[in-house]
Amino acid sequence: NAGVTQTPKFRILKIGQSMTLQCAQDMNHNYMYWYRQDPGMGLKLIYYSVGAGITDKGEVPNGYNVSRSTTEDFPLRLELAAPSQTSVYFCASSYSEFKGVNQPQHFGDGTRLSIL
Amino acid sequence: GENVEQHPSTLSVQEGDSAVIKCTYSDSASNYFPWYKQELGKRPQLIIDIRSNVGEKKDQRIAVTLNKTAKHFSLHITETQPEDSAVYFCALNTNAGKSTFGDGTTLTVKP
Repeated sequence: NAGVTQTPKFRILKIGQSMTLQCAQDMNHNYMYWYRQDPGMGLKLIYYSVGAGITDKGEVPNGYNVSRSTTEDFPLRLELAAPSQTSVYFCASSYSEFKGVNQPQHFGDGTRLSIL
Repeated sequence: GENVEQHPSTLSVQEGDSAVIKCTYSDSASNYFPWYKQELGKRPQLIIDIRSNVGEKKDQRIAVTLNKTAKHFSLHITETQPEDSAVYFCALNTNAGKSTFGDGTTLTVKP
């Protein structure tokens, strides 16, 4: 199993550009998450999904969008990139019985994004 | 929503000493409390977790304790080694799937 795969690993965007960060997992996990981690800081939840077709906002959703059309993929869309979105983005997945006991999250290697 | 406070933000110990990191939370619906270790430039990785129906769990040099009444849980590392140096994050989850992380503790183990 590859686990959680994120692409790209690095990207530089100009202010106002848009892009999609890709995340795919091959562990048949139902829960998926997007976090951002600013330098020296913790992980802030952007969006999460408890299954295909279901998404919910986290702590810092403004400026981002997500979709979950399949169990495997959970892309994160940035529209009109701003310098404040410069960060490292981590995708994670876990398996949990619906509204049941949670399991550990498995993280991808991250996408380092700079907005200039 | 959920809120979790993690202390201390930095911790420096001598090799062989113990390290304790504490997290407090406010949402009584939280039922899963993992701890992650993140080395510089790497992804977070689970080191130990505890569920709401358990008070303590141990795995070799690492232990976690949970006090649901007081709403706090702690990570204990004994006989610290230089390779334990990293950033440690507590986290919590609810049945609804939402996950919240603490701000992290930078642990430095001096040889």
